[in-house]
Amino acid sequence: QKEVEQNSGPLSVPEGAIASLNCTYSDRGSQSFFWYRQYSGKSPELIMSIYSNGDKEDGRFTAQLNKASQYVSLLIRDSQPSDSATYLCAVNIAGQNFVFGPGTRLSVLP
Amino acid sequence: DAEITQSPRHKITETGRQVTLACHQTWNHNNMFWYRQDLGHGLRLIHYSYGVHDTNKGEVSDGYSVSRSNTEDLPLTLESAASSQTSVYFCASSVNRAGEQYFGPGTRLTVT
Repeated sequence: QKEVEQNSGPLSVPEGAIASLNCTYSDRGSQSFFWYRQYSGKSPELIMSIYSNGDKEDGRFTAQLNKASQYVSLLIRDSQPSDSATYLCAVNIAGQNFVFGPGTRLSVLP
Repeated sequence: DAEITQSPRHKITETGRQVTLACHQTWNHNNMFWYRQDLGHGLRLIHYSYGVHDTNKGEVSDGYSVSRSNTEDLPLTLESAASSQTSVYFCASSVNRAGEQYFGPGTRLTVT
């Protein structure tokens, strides 16, 4: 069973804090990993992709991948109320398609 | 600018009717995907295509069909709509099979 798990939240953080979102996956053959942001009533929007172990930074966002422990995380620094959304983790297993996690709802409090 | 569009954005239909949802992308991506999103289930793959005349079943393909006659379009057909198919439908496309997918705006379908 290929599974991607996320804490459904809601995760509440104060404005300016670091939000930490976690995702675990079950298939060790997974090769590429993605974070999407989805505002209510809108479509998923790609934030980050990560393919190798370690950290990848893009502006206020940092994705972290640890294949040995089978988790990928997303850090959002200096969180803003506009970051309030549902964050979806997606995992691509070699030669197969994306499996999405259920999403974590993030609420950034002013 | 290149983009991916879906139509209609909202649709109400009756049980048993055939419904077709359109997806059109101008990125010239070979790979296209259809998902449905429901509370409690997240995004689930319905059908996908890796190129013209190629179609494949996803996790929840029963009651749905697709055809790919050109690179730009992947229409999704509900052969006989059922209330269980009430959902939000998203189309996506990608350059590489294992790479980033980009989503259309979605179609909200209600089957009464």
